[in-house]
Amino acid sequence: DTGVSQNPRHKITKRGQNVTFRCDPISEHNRLYWYRQTLGQGPEFLTYFQNEAQLEKSRLLSDRFSAERPKGSFSTLEIQRTEQGDSAMYLCASSLSIPLRQYFGPGTRLTVT
Amino acid sequence: QQQVKQSPQSLIVQKGGISIINCAYENTAFDYFPWYQQFPGKGPALLIAIRPDVSEKKEGRFTISFNKSAKQFSLHIMDSQPGDSATYFCAASYYQFYNTDKLIFGTGTRLQVFP
Repeated sequence: DTGVSQNPRHKITKRGQNVTFRCDPISEHNRLYWYRQTLGQGPEFLTYFQNEAQLEKSRLLSDRFSAERPKGSFSTLEIQRTEQGDSAMYLCASSLSIPLRQYFGPGTRLTVT
Repeated sequence: QQQVKQSPQSLIVQKGGISIINCAYENTAFDYFPWYQQFPGKGPALLIAIRPDVSEKKEGRFTISFNKSAKQFSLHIMDSQPGDSATYFCAASYYQFYNTDKLIFGTGTRLQVFP
């Protein structure tokens, strides 16, 4: 399977704990995006990378959130001191610079209890 | 502030019928309008996309109609099938103006196609 993969698929954590998610993009894609989707809503943009450079961060991405893409391949999204409001599906997508077609992974569903 | 407004929230269509989902936007800097299909427990999958220099694009049973002056675009699913039952999202981005290709999504339309 050469699509975007995300791990873990599900994560249940207690409020105040830190969590980290991983995204492996399609191998030749140089752009990688993170979105958050809550129930009944469309995905909301969080941040994106071109190769290893983080080019844009949404205001939704508070100081408790950090994303990295150290070698321009996989990416991690870390949430520190999780809150119940962080419960959502976290989606990763990747694309080539041209054309701008984003391919999404299956997501990581986070539940904060 | 919601930049892309989508309607209806839910849609029930008989098998073989036409499903129509509408989206409206305000920002004239948007220059790319994709539609995504999402099944429960899966990530969104790109269906079809259009740029504002064309008024219509067709791929198989899926057609996007685009009205630049009205700032509206819609997805038409011809000969709807039970397998089309999913949530559909319109989206927009403004790469050329702001050099960012982040997608701004609508709120989604849950489509149910009954046999």
